[in-house]
Amino acid sequence: DQQVKQNSPSLSVQEGRISILNCDYTNSMFDYFLWYKKYPAEGPTFLISISSIKDKNEDGRFTVFLNKSAKHLSLHIVPSQPGDSAVYFCAASRGTTSGTYKYIFGTGTRLKVLA
Amino acid sequence: DTGVSQDPRHKITKRGQNVTFRCDPISEHNRLYWYRQTLGQGPEFLTYFQNEAQLEKSRLLSDRFSAERPKGSFSTLEIQRTEQGDSAMYLCASSPGTGVFAEAFFGQGTRLTVV
Repeated sequence: DQQVKQNSPSLSVQEGRISILNCDYTNSMFDYFLWYKKYPAEGPTFLISISSIKDKNEDGRFTVFLNKSAKHLSLHIVPSQPGDSAVYFCAASRGTTSGTYKYIFGTGTRLKVLA
Repeated sequence: DTGVSQDPRHKITKRGQNVTFRCDPISEHNRLYWYRQTLGQGPEFLTYFQNEAQLEKSRLLSDRFSAERPKGSFSTLEIQRTEQGDSAMYLCASSPGTGVFAEAFFGQGTRLTVV
């Protein structure tokens, strides 16, 4: 049962343009959502997060949007840079209801930013 | 370096042997997680500690797997009688023990190859 889904396994974007990575979830009890970036042979690196009480969170070039009614979140990267090329994972947790704070990850989207 | 530290980075073992991995979390982080990642998949939750208490174990964690976190500091993950299907990247993460919404910080992982 894949509770967090990233349906696009890969995405290519021209340098300077916007990258939009999407994530869908099925469990309405999730209350915290995170995006991680992963380079080969390294652990995931935290990028940005959003709680369910918000619909947008911005940090520099990265913005996460949350649409609770659609159970959908997206990560926007503007402008995209070649160094952004990596695999991006979305993750979700339901700490306020479960008390265990574990994170459920999607399968990832490989972003390639073309120079 | 004050990040999450994992040892060893790589481990090759013969089928049937036991292996043990170590994770040193970020100092003062009360929550510690173990995840497993295979090629093309996102990190899969294995187990979670709040201080020294193991609060949740995934069904993925068969009886050949055991994790400990004595004194609520470092943690070990042991796999007994390894099988080829255990080959994966084993990731450790930690997060602060306060607050409902807190990101997890990952180590660089231990790559296990069972031959």
